[in-house]
Amino acid sequence: AQKVTQAQTEISVVEKEDVTLDCVYETRDTTYYLFWYKQPPSGELVFLIRRNSFDEQNEISGRYSWNFQKSTSSFNFTITASQVVDSAVYFCALSESLIQGAQKLVFGQGTRLTINP
Amino acid sequence: DVKVTQSSRYLVKRTGEKVFLECVQDMDHENMFWYRQDPGLGLRLIYFSYDVKMKEKGDIPEGYSVSREKKERFSLILESASTNQTSMYLCASSLYGLAGAYEQYFGPGTRLTVT
Repeated sequence: AQKVTQAQTEISVVEKEDVTLDCVYETRDTTYYLFWYKQPPSGELVFLIRRNSFDEQNEISGRYSWNFQKSTSSFNFTITASQVVDSAVYFCALSESLIQGAQKLVFGQGTRLTINP
Repeated sequence: DVKVTQSSRYLVKRTGEKVFLECVQDMDHENMFWYRQDPGLGLRLIYFSYDVKMKEKGDIPEGYSVSREKKERFSLILESASTNQTSMYLCASSLYGLAGAYEQYFGPGTRLTVT
């Protein structure tokens, strides 16, 4: 079965520090997708990124970057120059194929990130 | 913008009551999902649906049922609410894709308290 582990339950840093959220996954699928979601205090999960298992290029979007390493089954997320608005719970997720083309997402337990001013 | 709405943000029910949680999406997505979120456990899939009138059990379906009579609407039903069903319930929708997994879009959640 698919499994996602986010070993860091909580992280607290001071504003402008860089912070990396770890995500390690287990899968027997050769093709799969990885995702990151942000859940701010308002509660709604916000989609951040989707990455195909065949594409190991790192991705950067503003202050956000993602490092996908198939060899270590990791998909880590780095926030550069963190800001208070980055405070949220972050979830890593892995796709799992179901019947009829539907895909289920298996979520990690989440990492609560607090950015202190 | 994709929009997924849920009927209530907060709900308080008594043990034994029948509870309906409604979810509506406006992006014509084929797939819809119900999750519950509990501290330390992340999100766990209760049920999903890949088409109208089609439903499949997720990881924790016990005590729940679902209904999908229209493509845009997916309802979660607690037949007889119990205190261990106190939780945050999240609805999501996504495109259907044999070729790959699409991102799921989530509603704001319903925080259900069963007393």
